[in-house]
Amino acid sequence: AAGVIQSPRHLIKEKRETATLKCYPIPRHDTVYWYQQGPGQDPQFLISFYEKMQSDKGSIPDRFSAQQFSDYHSELNMSSLELGDSALYFCASSPRDRGAGELFFGEGSRLTVL
Amino acid sequence: AQSVTQLDSQVPVFEEAPVELRCNYSSSVSVYLFWYVQYPNQGLQLLLKYLSGSTLVKGINGFEAEFNKSQTSFHLRKPSVHISDTAEYFCAVTGGFKTIFGAGTRLFVKA
Repeated sequence: AAGVIQSPRHLIKEKRETATLKCYPIPRHDTVYWYQQGPGQDPQFLISFYEKMQSDKGSIPDRFSAQQFSDYHSELNMSSLELGDSALYFCASSPRDRGAGELFFGEGSRLTVL
Repeated sequence: AQSVTQLDSQVPVFEEAPVELRCNYSSSVSVYLFWYVQYPNQGLQLLLKYLSGSTLVKGINGFEAEFNKSQTSFHLRKPSVHISDTAEYFCAVTGGFKTIFGAGTRLFVKA
């Protein structure tokens, strides 16, 4: 079965650079979530989209922005990167008729800021 | 707003012993409850979920959990663990479009 696809899997950036992470949800899943997981930490909710509109917002820094496109894929843009942004970024999707039920997670994108 | 508390950060246990990972939640609205497992360098995988109905839910890999509304708990149990169960376990609560995770419990199964 198709799963959530995230790219790139690994990314190394310098401070103050910009990074973009991509997420392709499971087909027919129209809700996408972004989470940030620091080393030894639980996943922190950043932002979610439903039908291409932002549906909820968590602890996402102002330097970050995200959107969901017409094909339901989503991109997380991170600017002015800081050392503390180094983390594993997870995307998850869920299907239309379940609202915010079970989340299906991708393998994550590991961002390292040097 | 929802919150999740996992009462144990680490649980060491011998192989074939039973284990219980504790989770308490708080919410002002009806919620869905989940347990996810995360193996090293991997994404989170659903173990089991409570949406409604029977308070005892069974999941994959022999895990089960019991929803207790009066105690606002959703503890995860397994009668006999294996070395391969060593992983991080996250309790999660969903309300609306947001899923909140607990801090995680590291289950370490020893031979």
